[in-house]
Amino acid sequence: DIQMTQSPSSLSASVGDRVTVTCRASQSIRNHLNWYQQKPGKAPMILIVAASSLQGGVPSRFSGSGSGTDFTLSISSLQPEDSATYYCQQSYRTPYTFGQGTKLEIK
Amino acid sequence: EGQLVESGGGLVQPGGSLRLSCAASGFTFSNFWMHWVRQAPGKGLVWLSRVKGDGSDTSYADSVKGRFTISRDNAKNTVYLQMNSLRAEDTALYYCARDGDYGGYSRFDPWGQGTLVTVSS
Repeated sequence: DIQMTQSPSSLSASVGDRVTVTCRASQSIRNHLNWYQQKPGKAPMILIVAASSLQGGVPSRFSGSGSGTDFTLSISSLQPEDSATYYCQQSYRTPYTFGQGTKLEIK
Repeated sequence: EGQLVESGGGLVQPGGSLRLSCAASGFTFSNFWMHWVRQAPGKGLVWLSRVKGDGSDTSYADSVKGRFTISRDNAKNTVYLQMNSLRAEDTALYYCARDGDYGGYSRFDPWGQGTLVTVSS
């Protein structure tokens, strides 16, 4: 199975800050990497597909990059509503493994 | 856009069985792969299984292989997860999700609201 490792597991930042979450795959997944946002008590929501394609309705302050084994999710100017847990997921090969999640807190 | 609604969760004793359902609406159900994902309380997301649009192909995570069976009824726009030999560690919120193909890339969208399974004596 392909292992996905996210870092950090949690972070705290202020409104307006730029934050970055990293995700590393245990083997190359080309660019078959998705990012999801999950708020407490809610189902996950897709943010980014194919490592860098922002999905409809997602604010442009979110961006993704990377290929192969190393990927990043960036939020350019943090907003209060961005408080959530973020998960990466590889969709290169089943089982479609998720990272362990990054909990983002707004100070 | 599509909507998914899970049902069938509940309290079950270790070793017991449960069948989850996920009813789809708002899209051509038979055109899409469907997935089950679970989330134990306070934990992360774990992919469990998928089934192809016509039901001809399935995959499972090792943790549930041989115990869980995914299936679908396209006439009822419903995907199922039959769970047997349940263990305490299967306690989780179970989500179904559509695999909304994006130019050849898999993406889970939308998701249902989840149904809670508790395995306890």
